[in-house]
Amino acid sequence: ETGVTQTPRHLVMGMTNKKSLKCEQHLGHNAMYWYKQSAKKPLELMFVYSLEERVENNSVPSRFSPECPNSSHLFLHLHTLQPEDSALYLCASSQVRGPGNTIYFGEGSWLTVV
Amino acid sequence: EDQVTQSPEALRLQEGESSSLNCSYTVSGLRGLFWYRQDPGKGPEFLFTLYSAGEEKEKERLKATLTKKESFLHITAPKPEDSATYLCAVQPLGYQKVTFGTGTKLQVIP
Repeated sequence: ETGVTQTPRHLVMGMTNKKSLKCEQHLGHNAMYWYKQSAKKPLELMFVYSLEERVENNSVPSRFSPECPNSSHLFLHLHTLQPEDSALYLCASSQVRGPGNTIYFGEGSWLTVV
Repeated sequence: EDQVTQSPEALRLQEGESSSLNCSYTVSGLRGLFWYRQDPGKGPEFLFTLYSAGEEKEKERLKATLTKKESFLHITAPKPEDSATYLCAVQPLGYQKVTFGTGTKLQVIP
């Protein structure tokens, strides 16, 4: 496999459920990201892991919990979400250091909270 | 605070009708400006990175240019398969965070 892969592609969960989104990158990068994309809004950065250390947490509610066990894998654990959390969640990776930190995205996980 | 404004919000072109998309930005020192293409229901696909004013990059019918305040994505003789949302993003010097615009939704009519 190549690039950034995300599973599942679609997820429907109730407000009391616990679920996780998984991401794996095959690009040899050392930084990974979670972004949220909602209709009519720009991509919102949620979390950044650089060299396996969380370096950014953009005031994200605690019902979202990231985990980065190594430089190739990233998880987003979801717990007691709200309907307004329904969105496309995008995982991405990049190579830190060097010129422009080009970010490569996965296909996204569509989340619907009912 | 870094800002990215894209215009127009939506653009409808006839096949073969060339046009340009605009990305105006404010950043305290530019490390890189990025263009992406996003198809419905999919993640953004990387197109170009531009680093300094005056730089240009081309890929098939697309050409990206950069000045100190804005970037343009020129589309020459577009085809229906060029229909997508085009996203612009900037990264400031010395920092990892990338700020995205809201995109321009391009529709090319056969």
